Amino acid sequence: DGGITQSPKYLFRKEGQNVTLSCEQNLNHDAMYWYRQDPGQGLRLIYYSQIVNDFQKGDIAEGYSVSREKKESFPLTVTSAQKNPTAFYLCASSRGGTADTQYFGPGTRLTVL
Amino acid sequence: AQSVAQPEDQVNVAEGNPLTVKCTYSVSGNPYLFWYVQYPNRGLQFLLKYITGDNLVKGSYGFEAEFNKSQTSFHLKKPSALVSDSALYFCAVKDSGAGSYQLTFGKGTKLSVIP
Repeated sequence: DGGITQSPKYLFRKEGQNVTLSCEQNLNHDAMYWYRQDPGQGLRLIYYSQIVNDFQKGDIAEGYSVSREKKESFPLTVTSAQKNPTAFYLCASSRGGTADTQYFGPGTRLTVL
Repeated sequence: AQSVAQPEDQVNVAEGNPLTVKCTYSVSGNPYLFWYVQYPNRGLQFLLKYITGDNLVKGSYGFEAEFNKSQTSFHLKKPSALVSDSALYFCAVKDSGAGSYQLTFGKGTKLSVIP
């Protein structure tokens, strides 16, 4: 899992609540990513950021929001607009070039009660 | 558009036997190809990647993969499987020509190594 930390490891949310997942990296990587993993569906990209104060939507951005105020931090907010938020969320980072390897954090498992 | 397929949801192999996990891809330009492994409730660990050059790529933990452009494949292999290799394996692709930063993942193949 390298120098990428995610917290908390487990998160429980009531319906209608917003929750924020933390992702921090000490690899001095420019690019950061958020993925959602559901059983049997692989990983799907939610948002990514190539540089501070800039980010782009991925394939499934609806119901999520992000910010990139610092190079080392890329928090993800799961809003009440996300209808099916129960999933395993993975954060990744890379140096930023198109051929660069993405390295992953340990993940946060979000469960909606 | 870029896509990747892992045709087997599960692969079973006896300990000590060679293993293969299959991956095929589709891109409009040249591919960048990656293999990752995931243990239960953990993040993905990088195994190896193909960018250019030698078609046989060697990676971590004794794994290797062969890039085959004509068959658009990038199968993961290991000469002798260990029980500890049991995990979920993901293939991923990126189109080098599209200027894309987006990595597309397959749905994963569960590898079970039987003692």
